[in-house]
Amino acid sequence: DQQVKQNSPSLSVQEGRISILNCDYTNSMFDYFLWYKKYPAEGPTFLISISSIKDKNEDGRFTVFLNKSAKHLSLHIVPSQPGDSAVYFCAARGMGYSSASKIIFGSGTRLSIRP
Amino acid sequence: DTGVSQDPRHKITKRGQNVTFRCDPISEHNRLYWYRQTLGQGPEFLTYFQNEAQLEKSRLLSDRFSAERPKGSFSTLEIQRTEQGDSAMYLCASSLTRGSSYNEQFFGPGTRLTVL
Repeated sequence: DQQVKQNSPSLSVQEGRISILNCDYTNSMFDYFLWYKKYPAEGPTFLISISSIKDKNEDGRFTVFLNKSAKHLSLHIVPSQPGDSAVYFCAARGMGYSSASKIIFGSGTRLSIRP
Repeated sequence: DTGVSQDPRHKITKRGQNVTFRCDPISEHNRLYWYRQTLGQGPEFLTYFQNEAQLEKSRLLSDRFSAERPKGSFSTLEIQRTEQGDSAMYLCASSLTRGSSYNEQFFGPGTRLTVL
């Protein structure tokens, strides 16, 4: 049972434009949602998080939006830069767990920024 | 380099052999996690430690898998009698425990296991 779903395996965006990565989840007990970025031959790197009590969190070029009624979140990157080309994982943490315990990851979206 | 390190980076073994991986977390981090990632999927949680105590294990962690963190610092993950289905990237992560907010998990580069 996939509790965190990323339905787009890949996305191509022109440099300077907005990249929008989407994620759906099924478990309403998640308390934090996260985005991780992964380059080849490296482990995932934390990008941004949002608490389930918020609907938006912004950090520089990255903004995460949470729509709890739709069980949907999205990551916006603007403007997109060549260094943003990577695999992006949506992830979530369960409310019933002790703090900083396991994360459930989606299957990832490969973002390619074209010149 | 003060990040999470894993050794070896690559391991090729024959089916039925035992393998052991090591993870060195960021030194002040009290939590350590193991994940497994297969092609086209995101990392899947296997187990985690708070200091030396193993607090949670996934049902993915069959009895052929064992993890230890004897002194609350580095950790080892052993797979006995490896099977071809064990081929994957094994990722280690560490974090601090601070309040109830999200405490970032820092990932190592992973150990890629290939079982022939």
